[in-house]
Amino acid sequence: AQTVTQSQPEMSVQEAETVTLSCTYDTSESDYYLFWYKQPPSRQMILVIRQEAYKQQNATENRFSVNFQKAAKSFSLKISDSQLGDAAMYFCAYRSARLVTSGSRLTFGEGTQLTVNP
Amino acid sequence: DGGITQSPKYLFRKEGQNVTLSCEQNLNHDAMYWYRQDPGQGLRLIYYSQIVNDFQKGDIAEGYSVSREKKESFPLTVTSAQKNPTAFYLCASSIKGTSGFTDTQYFGPGTRLTVL
Repeated sequence: AQTVTQSQPEMSVQEAETVTLSCTYDTSESDYYLFWYKQPPSRQMILVIRQEAYKQQNATENRFSVNFQKAAKSFSLKISDSQLGDAAMYFCAYRSARLVTSGSRLTFGEGTQLTVNP
Repeated sequence: DGGITQSPKYLFRKEGQNVTLSCEQNLNHDAMYWYRQDPGQGLRLIYYSQIVNDFQKGDIAEGYSVSREKKESFPLTVTSAQKNPTAFYLCASSIKGTSGFTDTQYFGPGTRLTVL
């Protein structure tokens, strides 16, 4: 079974600075997808960014980018120019590419609570 | 507006009672999912359904039941057999794609269930 680990329960960053959230995962599969979701105080889960394992190029979405290291099974999220609205719980998630058996199910890490200081 | 709705937002239950949480989507998504979230933990999969009239158990299905009679609806019943039901429950849906990101999951706003 796949597992996802987020070793930083809490992180903080100054507004306008850059912060990196860590995520590692364990899998025996070669093809899969990785996601970062954000959960603000409203508790609505919002997709931040996603990465296909077969792509070497790191995904970027505006101020959000990832550092995907497949061999190390690492998938960190970098937030540049942090804003107060970035304060939230961030979850890393894994999905197998084997849809027939997995049914698109996601495996989540335990989350990292990000505080943005003005 | 297109989206996923969950109701109620807050739900209180007495011990021994069954309660049903509603999840509706108008995104024409094929697959739907139920997750449970406890403090300090990530989301754990309860049940999922990829097609009408079919569903599969997730990692923590004991004490829960679901039905999928319509494509847009996937209600979750928390039965009295669930020993510790107080939690935040999230519903999600996705297109049943064959590859790629066509089946990225999108989430509803959640229901907070408290057992009194």
